[in-house]
Amino acid sequence: AQSVTQPDIHITVSEGASLELRCNYSYGATPYLFWYVQSPGQGLQLLLKYFSGDTLVQGIKGFEAEFKRSQSSFNLRKPSVHWSDAAEYFCAVVHRDNNDMRFGAGTRLTVKP
Amino acid sequence: DGGITQSPKYLFRKEGQNVTLSCEQNLNHDAMYWYRQDPGQGLRLIYYSQIVNDFQKGDIAEGYSVSREKKESFPLTVTSAQKNPTAFYLCASSMGQNYGYTFGSGTRLTVV
Repeated sequence: AQSVTQPDIHITVSEGASLELRCNYSYGATPYLFWYVQSPGQGLQLLLKYFSGDTLVQGIKGFEAEFKRSQSSFNLRKPSVHWSDAAEYFCAVVHRDNNDMRFGAGTRLTVKP
Repeated sequence: DGGITQSPKYLFRKEGQNVTLSCEQNLNHDAMYWYRQDPGQGLRLIYYSQIVNDFQKGDIAEGYSVSREKKESFPLTVTSAQKNPTAFYLCASSMGQNYGYTFGSGTRLTVV
């Protein structure tokens, strides 16, 4: 069955530390891949997306993600976390034959001062 | 500025009543979606519409209904048949699979 897994429900990092949020997918072929961020009580904002080409993609707010086909992963990274990055992060995939987006369960990020 | 507007932001409903959540977009997107969000479960697809006057059930359509009479509008009705309607509801629209989705700011529905 097609699925998106975010193994970490909650992550806490110190301000200024580096961050990596994990995402694994299980699809028949490489889907389109996305990361979204959600602040409490708000909608989702697109951080970045991968369709093809360079496997390291840059997004907004200093985030980047690396697609690794061999590991079926699309992990999100940031070199230095700011307190304003505290939010929930969702990995999402879209099968290349349709426009049906599937989401992981989300990872909640807490930033310590 | 273009975007998606969901209203109201907060909604309270008595058990046994139907309630309709509004979703309007001025992005000229063909596709629109409704998701339900519960803590720890991510987003689950309720209904989606790829074109006016056509829509399909998602994974959790029971107890919900939609209409798509205009390109800009995709209202969701939560009926009394929905057993556990208290949740955060998100509407989204899309220009196509290459572009991702644009989300509204959500409606929090509470059944009292």
